[in-house]
Amino acid sequence: EADIYQTPRYLVIGTGKKITLECSQTMGHDKMYWYQQDPGMELHLIHYSYGVNSTEKGDLSSESTVSRIRTEHFPLTLESARPSHTSQYLCASGLGQTNEKLFFGSGTQLSVL
Amino acid sequence: GEDVEQSLFLSVREGDSSVINCTYTDSSSTYLYWYKQEPGAGLQLLTYIFSNMDMKQDQRLTVLLNKKDKHLSLRIADTQTGDSAIYFCAEMGRSQGNLIFGKGTKLSVKP
Repeated sequence: EADIYQTPRYLVIGTGKKITLECSQTMGHDKMYWYQQDPGMELHLIHYSYGVNSTEKGDLSSESTVSRIRTEHFPLTLESARPSHTSQYLCASGLGQTNEKLFFGSGTQLSVL
Repeated sequence: GEDVEQSLFLSVREGDSSVINCTYTDSSSTYLYWYKQEPGAGLQLLTYIFSNMDMKQDQRLTVLLNKKDKHLSLRIADTQTGDSAIYFCAEMGRSQGNLIFGKGTKLSVKP
């Protein structure tokens, strides 16, 4: 069973609010990822990190920001949420090896009204 | 650029075999993966295959790799209703060492 946790599980907020989605893993993995998933299923990589103090933008431009102050923690922040941010957000971690096996959290379903 | 393609939907009857297909573009991919996503959950690694293999079998799952055609398939034998999920094919991207996922195939199993 994967030891990667996301909170909250569901979040409904109003436009303009600042929110932070939490992601923590207890496996000691260096590499962590945030994906945004369309209702149509497609996954988009929005941020990733190679380790502490490393953050990189993914393939899909996002208005969110991330930080990696501790190995186990990789929070994602939206400074001012908009309805277009409504989506499922999935966090994942891996060892960052050639055979990269990812472990995913259960996701946060964000709805911005 | 690197790309992974898969059909979006597959419907089978319980007890039949399911075959989910995927094509990829990066011929230098070393590992190829199949992930499963059940409703309301994150993705879970099902199986993977190293690029120097043609086939890998794991209980009801068989992965076939045709490197020449850059074609990967996942066969699920004796498909059960619990196999209903979205299945994602993925390859290891060259540039940043990130996985490149397909759009996912939604498998529906009818009783």
